[in-house]
Amino acid sequence: DQQVKQNSPSLSVQEGRISILNCDYTNSMFDYFLWYKKYPAEGPTFLISISSIKDKNEDGRFTVFLNKSAKHLSLHIVPSQPGDSAVYFCAASGKNYGQNFVFGPGTRLSVLP
Amino acid sequence: DAGVIQSPRHEVTEMGQEVTLRCKPISGHNSLFWYRQTMMRGLELLIYFNNNVPIDDSGMPEDRFSAKMPNASFSTLKIQPSEPRDSAVYFCASRTTPGLASEQYFGPGTRLTVT
Repeated sequence: DQQVKQNSPSLSVQEGRISILNCDYTNSMFDYFLWYKKYPAEGPTFLISISSIKDKNEDGRFTVFLNKSAKHLSLHIVPSQPGDSAVYFCAASGKNYGQNFVFGPGTRLSVLP
Repeated sequence: DAGVIQSPRHEVTEMGQEVTLRCKPISGHNSLFWYRQTMMRGLELLIYFNNNVPIDDSGMPEDRFSAKMPNASFSTLKIQPSEPRDSAVYFCASRTTPGLASEQYFGPGTRLTVT
């Protein structure tokens, strides 16, 4: 049973528009969430994180929103650029998971010029 | 820092052969993780170490898989004997300060193909 879900395998967005990537989790013990970006033939790279004590964290064009009651988080990219085209993984961790992160299956974002 | 280093980057082997994947974590990082990525299962954790000690190996598929971390700067993941279903990209990642929320740094991965 997947504890971290990304129900959209792929997403296409026009350059300059907003990209919204969604992630749902089932375990209420998760208290730390991250987004990773992965280009082909490279390892995932950390993008942005959020702790459960917050509901929003912003870093430049990237903002992560957390809705604890809905067990949902989202990544907003504004404005989207062609270089943002990659696979985005949502990951979650919690006190019961030690240093381990549980990853979602990923969403492939294509930003069209 | 060179980041997490993995070798080889690509490995093609025949079914039944032994395969050894190598990882050098970022200097000073206390935790090391081995992941496997497949189309069907996404990114799944195989095993992780804290201070060179294996903490959780529940993700290791079966006895054919083994991992070691003889010192703070080196880890291996061995598959013996290898099978075609082991074909995947294997990532190593490291992080600092166990117990605190911080991101993992991933290596470039080893693409394994078992024919």
